[in-house]
Amino acid sequence: DAGVIQSPRHEVTEMGQEVTLRCKPISGHDYLFWYRQTMMRGLELLIYFNNNVPIDDSGMPEDRFSAKMPNASFSTLKIQPSEPRDSAVYFCASSPTPGTTSYEQYFGPGTRLTVT
Amino acid sequence: AQSVTQLGSHVSVSEGALVLLRCNYSSSVPPYLFWYVQYPNQGLQLLLKYTTGATLVKGINGFEAEFKKSETSFHLTKPSAHMSDAAEYFCAVTKGSYKLIFGSGTRLLVRP
Repeated sequence: DAGVIQSPRHEVTEMGQEVTLRCKPISGHDYLFWYRQTMMRGLELLIYFNNNVPIDDSGMPEDRFSAKMPNASFSTLKIQPSEPRDSAVYFCASSPTPGTTSYEQYFGPGTRLTVT
Repeated sequence: AQSVTQLGSHVSVSEGALVLLRCNYSSSVPPYLFWYVQYPNQGLQLLLKYTTGATLVKGINGFEAEFKKSETSFHLTKPSAHMSDAAEYFCAVTKGSYKLIFGSGTRLLVRP
């Protein structure tokens, strides 16, 4: 199994530019999560989807952030416009329906975003 | 509200020594508990989990954790540390939803 795939692994952009992060979950997983990790705030859940539908986006910091899941094998997290304080590592994770596992999540390698 | 406290942002042990990483949680209902490990420049990897049943849970790489309801703890241990165990470790809890609550992490340093 390929695991959760994220691209790009590193992104450097200038303030004000649009940034799009991509994620391919593990095949057959019904849940997809986007997290942000920083030294100051630790690991934060931004949003999660079930069967491609956003379930909880209460962690999305502001309107500059948006996430979509057009199909079961692809999701994007977009920041427009980007700001230096958005610099962080963004993780995507996926999880199968409970019953076979117990809410465990499988993480991708992350995208390190630097906004200058 | 649920919360997770990991005591000690950094723990340093000698190679071959016992590893003990502490995790305490607060939850109004029996929780699901997890330990994840993060190696440098990588994502989080599940080490072990507690759902129901046996309170001593064994995970990968020789780690284990014991769920103690009376102490609301889920400490992670390994009898003998190896250099390759150097990483950051996260405890997480949920009471039955996909919103995992993560602790702030403990960085394990292993001295040769």
